[in-house]
Amino acid sequence: DQQVKQNSPSLSVQEGRISILNCDYTNSMFDYFLWYKKYPAEGPTFLISISSIKDKNEDGRFTVFLNKSAKHLSLHIVPSQPGDSAVYFCAATRNTDKLIFGTGTRLQVFP
Amino acid sequence: ETGVTQTPRHLVMGMTNKKSLKCEQHLGHNAMYWYKQSAKKPLELMFVYSLEERVENNSVPSRFSPECPNSSHLFLHLHTLQPEDSALYLCASSQGGGRTEAFFGQGTRLTVV
Repeated sequence: DQQVKQNSPSLSVQEGRISILNCDYTNSMFDYFLWYKKYPAEGPTFLISISSIKDKNEDGRFTVFLNKSAKHLSLHIVPSQPGDSAVYFCAATRNTDKLIFGTGTRLQVFP
Repeated sequence: ETGVTQTPRHLVMGMTNKKSLKCEQHLGHNAMYWYKQSAKKPLELMFVYSLEERVENNSVPSRFSPECPNSSHLFLHLHTLQPEDSALYLCASSQGGGRTEAFFGQGTRLTVV
């Protein structure tokens, strides 16, 4: 049973436009959510996180939105840049050291 | 110097071999993890060590044996693996205590032949 789902395996966006990556979860006990970015031949790197007591967190070009009632979170990147091309993973946890990851979405930003 | 270092980066081993993956973190973190990434699957948590004690063992076959001799080092001992164990094995560390991000190493690409 996959508790964290990223239903879009890939996304293609033009440079300068907004990229929206989506993530759904099934466990209502999750209380902390994270996004990671992964380039080929590298480990995932932390991007941004959000606690369940918030519905939005912003860091520069990256904003994460959380809709607890829908058990849905999204990552917005604006404006998108070619260097943002990578695989993006969402992850969730419930106040433990155990992170549950989704399958990832490959983002390609083209000129 | 990267925060989390894994060696080797690539490993090819036969099904009867014994090998070990090594992970070292220089971040002063209290928790360390092994994850497995197979094609088109989510990162699967294998083991969690918190303050050198194993706190999570996610139904991993016994042919994978972790060892955490101190808070900076983590090993994954491999023996009699199967071809389906071929994957990217990622080590990570975090401050621990929940609600903290994990920092990942670059991974070991393992191929079992």
